[in-house]
Amino acid sequence: SQKIEQNSEALNIQEGKTATLTCNYTNYSPAYLQWYRQDPGRGPVFLLLIRENEKEKRKERLKVTFDTTLKQSLFHITASQPADSATYLCALDNTDKLIFGTGTRLQVFP
Amino acid sequence: DGGITQSPKYLFRKEGQNVTLSCEQNLNHDAMYWYRQDPGQGLRLIYYSQIVNDFQKGDIAEGYSVSREKKESFPLTVTSAQKNPTAFYLCASSPGHSTGELFFGEGSRLTVL
Repeated sequence: SQKIEQNSEALNIQEGKTATLTCNYTNYSPAYLQWYRQDPGRGPVFLLLIRENEKEKRKERLKVTFDTTLKQSLFHITASQPADSATYLCALDNTDKLIFGTGTRLQVFP
Repeated sequence: DGGITQSPKYLFRKEGQNVTLSCEQNLNHDAMYWYRQDPGQGLRLIYYSQIVNDFQKGDIAEGYSVSREKKESFPLTVTSAQKNPTAFYLCASSPGHSTGELFFGEGSRLTVL
């Protein structure tokens, strides 16, 4: 069966450290993968898109990797801040739809 | 400012009643989407539309209906046939279908009493 898996348990880290979130998928062959940030009671906000022929993409303190062999994407936030606390969703394209993972909640403590 | 507006933010409904959620965008996007979000679950696609007067069912379309009479509007009706309608509903748009990032509204929380 097709699955997108993100760690359902919250990730708690100290301010200044690097946060690493994982997105694994099964039985999909996405042309691209996206990451979104969602705050409680709000709509998701797009962060980054990485294509299947790209290994890595960066935007300010954010870095995303995409390994189509491992069927995995890693999302890194360097020098994390309490303001980075939110739920982060990965999403991948499946033919004509965007399929979302369940998200991982990140909590950054001062 | 350009964006997507969903209304109402909160809505309460009695069992057996239909309710319509509004979604309006002024981004001139062709594609629009409705997702449902439940605690501990990812966003699930209800319906989507690539052009005016055309729409397709998503993964969980039963008990819902939509229309796309104007490019900027994509209302969702939650009918009495939807067995578990209490959820957080999200509308989104994109410049073209399957072309990348989605722009989301702020969501509508529906509670059935």
